[in-house]
Amino acid sequence: DIVMTQTPLSLSVTPGQPASISCKSSQSLLHSDGKTYLYWYLQKPGQSPQLLIYEVSNRFSGVPDRFSGSGSGTDFTLKISRVEADDVGVYYCMQSTQLRGLTFGPGTKVDIK
Amino acid sequence: QVQLVQSGAEVKKPGSSVKVSCKASGGTFSRSAISWVRQAPGQGLEWMGGIIPIFRAPNYPQKFQGRVTITADESTRTVYLDLSSLTSEDTAVYYCAAYFAPSGYYPKTLRRIDHWGQGTLVTVSS
Repeated sequence: DIVMTQTPLSLSVTPGQPASISCKSSQSLLHSDGKTYLYWYLQKPGQSPQLLIYEVSNRFSGVPDRFSGSGSGTDFTLKISRVEADDVGVYYCMQSTQLRGLTFGPGTKVDIK
Repeated sequence: QVQLVQSGAEVKKPGSSVKVSCKASGGTFSRSAISWVRQAPGQGLEWMGGIIPIFRAPNYPQKFQGRVTITADESTRTVYLDLSSLTSEDTAVYYCAAYFAPSGYYPKTLRRIDHWGQGTLVTVSS
């Protein structure tokens, strides 16, 4: 299985300041079809996960443009340009390039200073 | 508006089985790909497998082969997760999670997950 790692595992951010989360995979996530199947989810406290970014850099419907995703191969980043109070929760990256084993990162807990 | 509504919490004995349901609405069921993901208390997310209803054939990771059965009933727009030989390590919140392809397209894989159900807590305890 492809192993996903995230850094940092915990992040405390001042409102209005930027934040960045790194996600690395144990193998390249570039599929033979030319796509890279890397997703970002946010699980707010007490809620189900919600999709933020699909295929590395595409914002899902309704996701504010302060969220952006980038990266390629094995290294990916989620950036929040200006953190708001509503952004607290645990952020997970997920790969689905390897179909037999969709795998998630361990999560990065974001809270507000 | 896509909605995935799951069945209620369950308490099971070790060695028994549990069946959790997920009813989809607001999206075209025949253009869906539906997975099950679980989250043990205070832990991360673990994919358990999924199904594309029009293909009917489920896909399971190695870890759950032989212990998980995922089925879909198109007439009721419901997907089921059946987990057998339960142990305390199966205590978790179980989520169904889905992708609905746009009109004119059909999902070929389980790669994308857009929408999540509310979760079903399964507690395994003697």
